[in-house]
Amino acid sequence: AQSVTQLDSHVSVSEGTPVLLRCNYSSSYSPSLFWYVQHPNKGLQLLLKYTSAATLVKGINGFEAEFKKSETSFHLTKPSAHMSDAAEYFCVVSDLDFGNEKLTFGTGTRLTIIP
Amino acid sequence: NAGVTQTPKFQVLKTGQSMTLQCAQDMNHEYMSWYRQDPGMGLRLIHYSVGAGITDQGEVPNGYNVSRSTTEDFPLRLLSAAPSQTSVYFCASSSRDRGTDTQYFGPGTRLTVL
Repeated sequence: AQSVTQLDSHVSVSEGTPVLLRCNYSSSYSPSLFWYVQHPNKGLQLLLKYTSAATLVKGINGFEAEFKKSETSFHLTKPSAHMSDAAEYFCVVSDLDFGNEKLTFGTGTRLTIIP
Repeated sequence: NAGVTQTPKFQVLKTGQSMTLQCAQDMNHEYMSWYRQDPGMGLRLIHYSVGAGITDQGEVPNGYNVSRSTTEDFPLRLLSAAPSQTSVYFCASSSRDRGTDTQYFGPGTRLTVL
């Protein structure tokens, strides 16, 4: 069975400083991994995805994530936070569950940007 | 393209009432799904469909029904609303079956059951 753990429920950073949102996963297969962003009162939007190609994945709005199989991690980073990055971020793993592909969502990390 | 649309945006029900949440997509996606989002629990899959006429249960299907008569529409029916169904509901669609490609989400329906 697969699972996703987002290690921080809330992260606060100052504008212009780096962002790190942590995600660990467990999977018995070669998973696909995603990061989605949800702005207040909006639906979720794909930031980036890993599907067994390059381990460093670049997404929209300057975000990137690195797939580290040895650490079972898929942390999301951005070099310099912007006020518009304030949102909730979800790490998602896609895996096989008794032969069926299944998505499992993390519980989310709320990112606050301090002016 | 409008993408994925959901109606209504907000709804308040009394316990025992029934209602249908509407979802439509104009991207010709075969895969559609319904999730509920509750604080601290991420998104949980309620029902999904891999094409017109085909539906299946997700993680939390009890109390909900779905049907898929067309590729575009995937309504979610609450048969007899309960306070435990107070949540934000998201519809999503994807271009691959089993939904493991990029999911496109609607804006959500915020439901309160009194």
